[in-house]
Amino acid sequence: GAGVSQSPSNKVTEKGKDVELRCDPISGHTALYWYRQSLGQGLEFLIYFQGNSAPDKSGLPSDRFSAERTGGSVSTLTIQRTQQEDSAVYLCASSLARRPTRNQPQHFGDGTRLSIL
Amino acid sequence: KQEVTQIPAALSVPEGENLVLNCSFTDSAIYNLQWFRQDPGKGLTSLLLIQSSQREQTSGRLNASLDKSSGRSTLYIAASQPGDSATYLCAVGYNFNKFYFGSGTKLNVKP
Repeated sequence: GAGVSQSPSNKVTEKGKDVELRCDPISGHTALYWYRQSLGQGLEFLIYFQGNSAPDKSGLPSDRFSAERTGGSVSTLTIQRTQQEDSAVYLCASSLARRPTRNQPQHFGDGTRLSIL
Repeated sequence: KQEVTQIPAALSVPEGENLVLNCSFTDSAIYNLQWFRQDPGKGLTSLLLIQSSQREQTSGRLNASLDKSSGRSTLYIAASQPGDSATYLCAVGYNFNKFYFGSGTKLNVKP
C-alpha cells in the first residue's frame, strides 16, 4: 500500500522483555515521527527524525526507549525491560516536508497496540 | 511543559447541526496548529493545518481559526453528518517538530 505501515499491529509481552516496533514510512518522506497514545496520557510526542538524524531525543520517556532510522526509510522503536506503564498504542507518522504543511501534512499509520502483562 | 486543552471532551448532536470544537494552549510561541480526526482503532487523519502567521483555514465543511495571542483555536463543522462521528484532536507544533496534543473531543452525530 501507499500509506504508513506499522508492525506488528498488536504485541503482547511479559514485563521485563524487550520489544521492537517497526515503522515503514511513505516512500520519499524524509520526516518521521513516533508518538505514544495511552488512556491516562493522551497522545504524546516521542521523537522526530529528519533523514536518519533525530535532532531532539528529549521526548523519549526513559533510557529504556531508543529509536533509530536507517537509509532514510524504516524506523524501529525499541523498548528494553518493558514495564506495565509502557502499555499503549505506538503511532508512527511521516511527512514529505521537513515541517508539515497544509498540502504536505503528517500521514499516520494505524499503530502498534502494545500490552505488557 | 506545554499544555493543550480541548473542550468539550464529548459532544452528541443531531445530524445537520453546526458545531464548534475548542482548543487552547499555554505557550503561544507556536509554529503551526493542526486538527486531526481519529476513528476507532485507526491512526490520525490530518484535516486542517494553520501556520502561525495565518488566522484560519477552510476545507469543505470545516473551518479552523487560530488566535495566537489568546492561545485558542476553534474547529467549526457545518451541517454535521453521521460520518463526521470520530474523535477530533488538536495538535500544536513548536520548534524541532515537537507536537503537543489535546486529549480530544469525541463527537457523535446522530442520524
